[in-house]
Amino acid sequence: QVQLVQSGAEVKKPGASVKVSCKASGYTFTSYYMHWIRQAPGQGLEWMGIINPSGGSTSYAQKFQGRLTMTRDTSTSTVYMELGSLSSEDTAVYYCARDFFSNNCFDFWGRGTLVTVSS
Amino acid sequence: DIQLTQSPSSLSASVGDRVTITCRASQTISIYLNWYQQKPGRAPKFLISAASSLQSGVPSTFRGSGSGTDFSLTISSLQPADFATYYCQQSYSSPYTFGQGTKLEIK
Repeated sequence: QVQLVQSGAEVKKPGASVKVSCKASGYTFTSYYMHWIRQAPGQGLEWMGIINPSGGSTSYAQKFQGRLTMTRDTSTSTVYMELGSLSSEDTAVYYCARDFFSNNCFDFWGRGTLVTVSS
Repeated sequence: DIQLTQSPSSLSASVGDRVTITCRASQTISIYLNWYQQKPGRAPKFLISAASSLQSGVPSTFRGSGSGTDFSLTISSLQPADFATYYCQQSYSSPYTFGQGTKLEIK
């Protein structure tokens, strides 16, 4: 069965960076794009970007350009999301989500990783 | 960016009721509209793709419809497990935006 297992909660200071991992299993890792989506406390869902695990190409929402980096490790079937220059507004649960047959919607989700930014 | 506006923002209903949630896009998106269900503390669950394609395992009481700019999600007979927050999401163009959510509560 498809599983996306994310790394644990993080607490960071303003200005720092955070790197969240998402380990995939139960399917061919390189055959499905992966997205990152976040949700601030009590708020809605916000799409951040997408990575092609096969070639490593990425596309990010304009809002995050310059401080968001998505990478992957095909040897461990893991994708990573690194967000820099953190502020309190980045406090959120970060989800990885598998792309549904290249349709830019999300069929399987990780459980989420809470990132708290606080001085 | 394409904006999605859901209505209502919240809704109270009883088990067995029929409810409809609407999602309006700020520009035409053909049928590139998807629906998710989220319960507190959980990741969203994928319900419907391409406006009306029910995902595997989703009860047939859920139905999606619409095209262009106006879409709806109808639950024909509410079950206790259906009380949750529902989000629409457009997959027409990046960034792939979501509606603000509709919280469905038990009356």
